[in-house]
Amino acid sequence: QSVLTQPPSVSGAPGQRVTISCTGSSSNIGAGYDVHWYQQLPGTAPKLLIYGNSNRPSGVPDRFSGSKSGTSASLAITGLQAEDEADYYCQSYDSSLSGGVFGTGTKVTVL
Amino acid sequence: QVQLQESGPGLVKPSQTLSLTCTVSGGSISSGSYYWSWIRQPAGKGLEWIGRIYTSGSTNYNPSLKSRVTISVDTSKNQFSLKLSSVTAADTAVYYCARTSGAARNAFDIWGQGTMVTVSS
Repeated sequence: QSVLTQPPSVSGAPGQRVTISCTGSSSNIGAGYDVHWYQQLPGTAPKLLIYGNSNRPSGVPDRFSGSKSGTSASLAITGLQAEDEADYYCQSYDSSLSGGVFGTGTKVTVL
Repeated sequence: QVQLQESGPGLVKPSQTLSLTCTVSGGSISSGSYYWSWIRQPAGKGLEWIGRIYTSGSTNYNPSLKSRVTISVDTSKNQFSLKLSSVTAADTAVYYCARTSGAARNAFDIWGQGTMVTVSS
């Protein structure tokens, strides 16, 4: 069961900027827990894209950026490229579940 | 470089117990402060956290699955395992093992490739 809400899909032309929202509640994002983002290419395992709200692991292009405010977080992709076409998931910790929770997932389409 | 690899039966009969193992290579499962988790993804759907085990052996489970889940660790084999009892078709999914690292602010920083489990008679 997903307790973090994301838009089902977003799309943009190559070179454009797209953003993905992630809305939680007072028991997860709003409680101050970090938000992480994962990219899942078709047929592969998720890959960590952003950790601790806004940090990029080594090797992740700076076209990807994250932010958090209140009970929500956002992932931005600037200079959209064909290789960015994938599913994206946010994730946080939920105190009522005492464990991890994922977003509903967003499919990014490059037009 | 730490890598994770899931293994186990790809087909389980309804009402039986699903058993999977995650083998950690490139590092010791008991070194450092890590949580080791299981996550699943039904075909065409989102990710669901199943539960985790700390290097000390303490566990946390998703409340929706808690009555059926057991996660254990075997440090001598550098493995941790998942058992899910009384399975139904709803448990059909790709199962991933993953590591949570404090250095990554408790994100799942390393994932296995995933293993598909089908529940069917």
